[in-house]
Amino acid sequence: KNEVEQSPQNLTAQEGEFITINCSYSVGISALHWLQQHPGGGIVSLFMLSSGKKKHGRLIATINIQEKHSSLHITASHPRDSAVYICAVRGGGGADGLTFGKGTHLIIQP
Amino acid sequence: GAVVSQHPSRVICKSGTSVKIECRSLDFQATTMFWYRQFPKQSLMLMATSNEGSKATYEQGVEKDKFLINHASLTLSTLTVTSAHPEDSSFYICSARAPGWNTEAFFGQGTRLTVV
Repeated sequence: KNEVEQSPQNLTAQEGEFITINCSYSVGISALHWLQQHPGGGIVSLFMLSSGKKKHGRLIATINIQEKHSSLHITASHPRDSAVYICAVRGGGGADGLTFGKGTHLIIQP
Repeated sequence: GAVVSQHPSRVICKSGTSVKIECRSLDFQATTMFWYRQFPKQSLMLMATSNEGSKATYEQGVEKDKFLINHASLTLSTLTVTSAHPEDSSFYICSARAPGWNTEAFFGQGTRLTVV
């Protein structure tokens, strides 16, 4: 069973700061997701990664398969980025459900 | 992006009653759907994998007779919580994947279940 660790658990930053959230996992995977969960509970998929790097607007996600590590970066952070960010991995079979990290609770202060 | 619709978003029910939660993929055919549960301040946890036209596969510790899953079509999976108890109160969320190997997962809006 894959163990997914995220850090930090909580992060408070000022508007405009560069944010980094880290995720490590213990067993080889077929894909890694970065998800955003808002207070009401709804989940939005930000990225799905198998290798390398992806960028969408102010969000950048990277993954190092050899190191079993991924990072989510937010540039020019804004209060509307405040949410819980969750790392989730899918097993090597490609057909499995996801194993989730505990999430990083991000607060961006104006 | 693809849309997965989950209903209801919130439900309050009495102990002993059953509650059905629906998960629909609106613009793609989902051969596989997943049901997750999240207790307060906990990670999301996989409950079961639902494959169209066959029995669901349940994770260890999840009672299949209590959490009935039906995936009768390529666009609809349902989770029925039978004989609900207060400890079943949780956030339930479904996810659907399009056919193919390692395709992206899309999430429903989630259902907040409160059993009183």
